[in-house]
Amino acid sequence: DAGVTQSPTHLIKTRGQQVTLRCSPKSGHDTVSWYQQALGQGPQFIFQYYEEEERQRGNFPDRFSGHQFPNYSSELNVNALLLGDSALYLCASSFGAQETQYFGPGTRLLVL
Amino acid sequence: GQQLNQSPQSMFIQEGEDVSMNCTSSSIFNTWLWYKQDPGEGPVLLIALYKAGELTSNGRLTAQFGITRKDSFLNISASIPSDVGIYFCAGPMLLSYNFNKFYFGSGTKLNVKP
Repeated sequence: DAGVTQSPTHLIKTRGQQVTLRCSPKSGHDTVSWYQQALGQGPQFIFQYYEEEERQRGNFPDRFSGHQFPNYSSELNVNALLLGDSALYLCASSFGAQETQYFGPGTRLLVL
Repeated sequence: GQQLNQSPQSMFIQEGEDVSMNCTSSSIFNTWLWYKQDPGEGPVLLIALYKAGELTSNGRLTAQFGITRKDSFLNISASIPSDVGIYFCAGPMLLSYNFNKFYFGSGTKLNVKP
């Protein structure tokens, strides 16, 4: 039973660039949520995708966008990168509105 | 937004000791989750609690869902070096039809001295 997978594991970008992060949910899950985790903090909710639509969004600017594909995998795109976007980006999956989420290993993004 | 207050922020204990940490909220949650995160990794689900008053164990870990539904506790017995990490509590809140938003505590960093 494959768990949540994310790629790449690490990424280095410069300010102003754009980045795409990828996530495949746990087998049987159809809902993907994205989180940003700064060092020493808990995960902060970015948005959630279900049935290929963004269902809810946290307090993040429009530079953060996403997509969900028919196979339930998802992408997170961040445009015009800022130094403050450096963080661990986590993807979590669940089935519908189930009250349990499983996280992937994360993508560590460093913006220079 | 909702805030989960987790304490203590960090702990330094000796191998073999028992550990207790807790999480409180001003709002009621119907589910409490406890995760452990190793450095540079994603959080791993340890225990899920679904009913007020519920006491659930996972090996040396025991978690309780508070009667008021506004708090939860995690205990680790006979700690070992691999228990080192950051422990997060989390609670989902149903904000609209078929959407649960998950709120996280700020974490308890556990250090175990061999």
